Amino acid sequence: GQNIDQPTEMTATEGAIVQINCTYQTSGFNGLFWYQQHAGEAPTFLSYNVLDGLEEKGRFSSFLSRSKGYSYLLLKELQMKDSASYLCAVRFSGGYNKLIFGAGTRLAVHP
Amino acid sequence: DAGITQSPRHKVTETGTPVTLRCHQTENHRYMYWYRQDPGHGLRLIHYSYGVKDTDKGEVSDGYSVSRSKTEDFLLTLESATSSQTSVYFCAISESSSGHNEQFFGPGTRLTVL
Repeated sequence: GQNIDQPTEMTATEGAIVQINCTYQTSGFNGLFWYQQHAGEAPTFLSYNVLDGLEEKGRFSSFLSRSKGYSYLLLKELQMKDSASYLCAVRFSGGYNKLIFGAGTRLAVHP
Repeated sequence: DAGITQSPRHKVTETGTPVTLRCHQTENHRYMYWYRQDPGHGLRLIHYSYGVKDTDKGEVSDGYSVSRSKTEDFLLTLESATSSQTSVYFCAISESSSGHNEQFFGPGTRLTVL
């Protein structure tokens, strides 16, 4: 199968930086998405990577290495409201924009 | 926010009964998806649609069927609900099948099968 692996839980301190990793099988890769999901709510889109390198969007950045099958989401200047689950999703070739999701990383931000 | 609604938002039903969940979009997007989300498994694709009357199975399609008679509506049916189908169900839409085309998610339906 096409497993997407990410840590189950992480904790961090308000104001700090946290990096959430995601690994995936490289065969057929066609794009990687990060979503944020607060408890009891729908996932919301954060970032998209298809080429190697870093994509920066305000306090959030996402990095991709296609050869290593590796991505990370970097959250800077953490705020309490960043406490949520972060979902890594990979689009593999095959069309229809189908995504395979990791199980998600639950981030708890403490004062 | 993308215009996606799901109904009902919560439902409790009994084993063996049929259940239909509705996803409605106002974005005129071509692609629609049904996922279930369970602890430890993340989001798993049940069925998807790439146009009116065009649907296909996802990775966990057993026990589920779908229909799409209009661009804006995508229905998910559990013909005979089982306790293993207790879950949170999310609908998603996408404008295109490639490039930077993220999926937008509806608010979810929490289904409990007793």
